[in-house]
Amino acid sequence: EIVMTQSPATLSVSPGERATLSCRASQSVSSNLAWYQQKPGQAPRLLIYGASTRATGIPARFSGSGSGTEFTLTISSLQSEDFAVYYCQQYNNWPLTFGQGTRLEIK
Amino acid sequence: EVQLVESGGGLVQPGGSLRLSCAASGFTVSSNYMSWVRQAPGKGLEWVSVIYSGGSTYYADSVKGRFTISRDNSKNTLYLQMNSLRAEDTAVYYCARTVPTYFDIWGQGTMVTVSS
Repeated sequence: EIVMTQSPATLSVSPGERATLSCRASQSVSSNLAWYQQKPGQAPRLLIYGASTRATGIPARFSGSGSGTEFTLTISSLQSEDFAVYYCQQYNNWPLTFGQGTRLEIK
Repeated sequence: EVQLVESGGGLVQPGGSLRLSCAASGFTVSSNYMSWVRQAPGKGLEWVSVIYSGGSTYYADSVKGRFTISRDNSKNTLYLQMNSLRAEDTAVYYCARTVPTYFDIWGQGTMVTVSS
């Protein structure tokens, strides 16, 4: 099973600033990586797939990069609605696995 | 509108059974891969099971032999039959369209609590 490790566990950033979230895989997943956003009491929402392709309707301030074992989600200018928990997920191997999440909070 | 709506969650005793349903609208369940993903209280996400458009099914080791995923094409509905439930199965269960191995559409979730 591929273990996904996200860092940091919690990130405090001011609105308008840039946020950088990291995700590391225990072995190469090529570019088979997705990012999700989850707000309290809501289902996750797909943000990024293929490591860098934004899902339908996702604002351009969200960008993904990386391949192999190291990945990054960048939010260029944080809006109030962006404060949430973010998960990465690999889909290179079964079972599909998620990281433990990064909580993005208002500084 | 593309939508998934889960139902069937509730409180069940250890060793009991429960069947979850996920009604789809705006797309055809049988033409897609469909998964169940769960989230224990305050925890992260865990993939549980998938059913392929061709009917093949796969399960996480943690539920293999106890859970069964299925669908009813006439009702455009996905199911998860959960037997021999344990306390560690307590979670919000989400159904999700799987394209083909990440999740683009999610339901709102249904809570399952296993407790005596």
